[in-house]
Amino acid sequence: EPEVTQTPSHQVTQMGQEVILRCVPISNHLYFYWYRQILGQKVEFLVSFYNNEISEKSEIFDDQFSVERPDGSNFTLKIRSTKLEDSAMYFCASTTSGFQETQYFGPGTRLLVL
Amino acid sequence: GESVGLHLPTLSVQEGDNSIINCAYSNSASDYFIWYKQESGKGPQFIIDIRSNMDKRQGQRVTVLLNKTVKHLSLQIAATQPGDSAVYFCAETPDQGGKLIFGQGTELSVKP
Repeated sequence: EPEVTQTPSHQVTQMGQEVILRCVPISNHLYFYWYRQILGQKVEFLVSFYNNEISEKSEIFDDQFSVERPDGSNFTLKIRSTKLEDSAMYFCASTTSGFQETQYFGPGTRLLVL
Repeated sequence: GESVGLHLPTLSVQEGDNSIINCAYSNSASDYFIWYKQESGKGPQFIIDIRSNMDKRQGQRVTVLLNKTVKHLSLQIAATQPGDSAVYFCAETPDQGGKLIFGQGTELSVKP
């Protein structure tokens, strides 16, 4: 069964450093999302992406964040200058047509900012 | 505002019993709801969904009930098994943008 994959599974970085989290969505999906989950809290929406541009972003997704689909398979989330509060699990999700369709989540990247 | 919340943070049941996990949502415009299961260290796993034109939907051992009048969603798990132990989140889509708004989660613990 096709699934969303994410790399790395864990990332430790120093505050102020740039990180890039990578995702490979399910191959025939067209809508891509990033969510984050701070330890012990609920999953929070960050950004949605369709047709090579951001469809919607949350208040969390400030100028330090960016997303990119550099080729036909990868979908990346970049944090330019990490802060301590960026420590969280980051999940990528994808779906076929966006609205009212099941979003399938990857296993997540655990980011720890020291 | 846009929010989805859960009534109980933890639920402990005996193996073989039925489980009921509840969720309240506040956005009356939401018309698509999903239940996800999250095991420790893993991503949310789709369980079942329901659209607002329905009030009940059944899957394998799971049933989702939607009460739009009181903005309430529930997940029923029949014959709960130890493998069902996880955190369960409800989520809603408040608009056509497709983003999911998640609730806080209920931790289900199944005692053998």
